[in-house]
Amino acid sequence: QKEVEQDPGPLSVPEGAIVSLNCTYSNSAFQYFMWYRQYSRKGPELLMYTYSSGNKEDGRFTAQVDKSSKYISLFIRDSQPSDSATYLCAMSADTGFQKLVFGTGTRLLVSP
Amino acid sequence: DGGITQSPKYLFRKEGQNVTLSCEQNLNHDAMYWYRQDPGQGLRLIYYSQIVNDFQKGDIAEGYSVSREKKESFPLTVTSAQKNPTAFYLCASREVKLSTGELFFGEGSRLTVL
Repeated sequence: QKEVEQDPGPLSVPEGAIVSLNCTYSNSAFQYFMWYRQYSRKGPELLMYTYSSGNKEDGRFTAQVDKSSKYISLFIRDSQPSDSATYLCAMSADTGFQKLVFGTGTRLLVSP
Repeated sequence: DGGITQSPKYLFRKEGQNVTLSCEQNLNHDAMYWYRQDPGQGLRLIYYSQIVNDFQKGDIAEGYSVSREKKESFPLTVTSAQKNPTAFYLCASREVKLSTGELFFGEGSRLTVL
């Protein structure tokens, strides 16, 4: 069983929809949670960072962490075609971040 | 503009040949990383380096080698010992003082073994 599970998709939605992307994990030591966005044939870029449990909002994006359920989510409001990309969750147990564990990524397609 | 430059973007290799992927950064970051990305798998760490002249194996180091002679440069050699080298390779760097642990990635190098 993988340490981090993420549905690969693709997830297809119409423009303006609310998107929910999720990851589950098995290692209860994870405390630092990240979401990276990766456009086709490009390197990933950090979208959201959360420490421990709770919510964090940044514009149309909200990251949610539920450590009791070992479940993290990324919500995208008012989705746009430019949001079409692969979204990777990543997590670490310590601030060294040397053992950053990535999910497989979920491919999101937003149609106009 | 600061960033990470990987070259070449696309590379074809015959079986039995070694190839070297270049990674250069001008972000003045101490830590640098090499990841491999395959369909259906997350990014997997090959090697990382926190300071010049020092590097550590990641989860899938077999068949790969690196050097870190300069802070800005962290080349990866894919040797003929790597059994399944066709993949997308990503180089990243990190400012170790930053509490978020944010990785800055290059645009990747796609290696195809013929």
